[in-house]
Amino acid sequence: DTEVTQTPKHLVMGMTNKKSLKCEQHMGHRAMYWYKQKAKKPPELMFVYSYEKLSINESVPSRFSPECPNSSLLNLHLHALQPEDSALYLCASSQGPRAFGTNEKLFFGSGTQLSVL
Amino acid sequence: QQQVKQSPQSLIVQKGGIPIINCAYENTAFDYFPWYQQFPGKGPALLIAIRPDVSEKKEGRFTISFNKSAKQFSLHIMDSQPGDSATYFCAASRNYGQNFVFGPGTRLSVLP
Repeated sequence: DTEVTQTPKHLVMGMTNKKSLKCEQHMGHRAMYWYKQKAKKPPELMFVYSYEKLSINESVPSRFSPECPNSSLLNLHLHALQPEDSALYLCASSQGPRAFGTNEKLFFGSGTQLSVL
Repeated sequence: QQQVKQSPQSLIVQKGGIPIINCAYENTAFDYFPWYQQFPGKGPALLIAIRPDVSEKKEGRFTISFNKSAKQFSLHIMDSQPGDSATYFCAASRNYGQNFVFGPGTRLSVLP
């Protein structure tokens, strides 16, 4: 199984809503990532979890709250978002920071297309 | 210094042509240069990657050329097919790092 599964595929939410994005992988990877991608732009890193600990936080607003319950699951909790937060949210995974001799090959999910009204 | 530049922004070729996408970087600490392919509605998928101790790498119809002194690398797609129509991103990272810097992307269209 070389898949990263993201749910839901599409999400529409109001600015006062609370919602969560979910990501799952069963490749035994120990690093998981959240990226944000605007239309016709490259992915932008938001968060990285290594061995279930938050290792990189790219100064993301607190209305985005990541959670890594275990090595296979990654959530992104959303609260009080703004219309400009509308984007494709991509989850990715890789072997982990201590996979010596191998660079970090990222496996991406298909993303959640988020629209904030 | 963290930026990766990529050109062209878009590219149209006929089937069988050889599109070439170029990337340039400034940070000499970068030591891993992957290329990702993204179709509409999908996440990026790793296509091919290279490290700076190698000047060229081929995988199937895809070739990366790497010029360490010029801090440039490029993707060549041999015998391009309409199914290669996608957006291509170059990227760079350092020290087996997890913080990849992506180029702005190239939208490739291969006409039948």
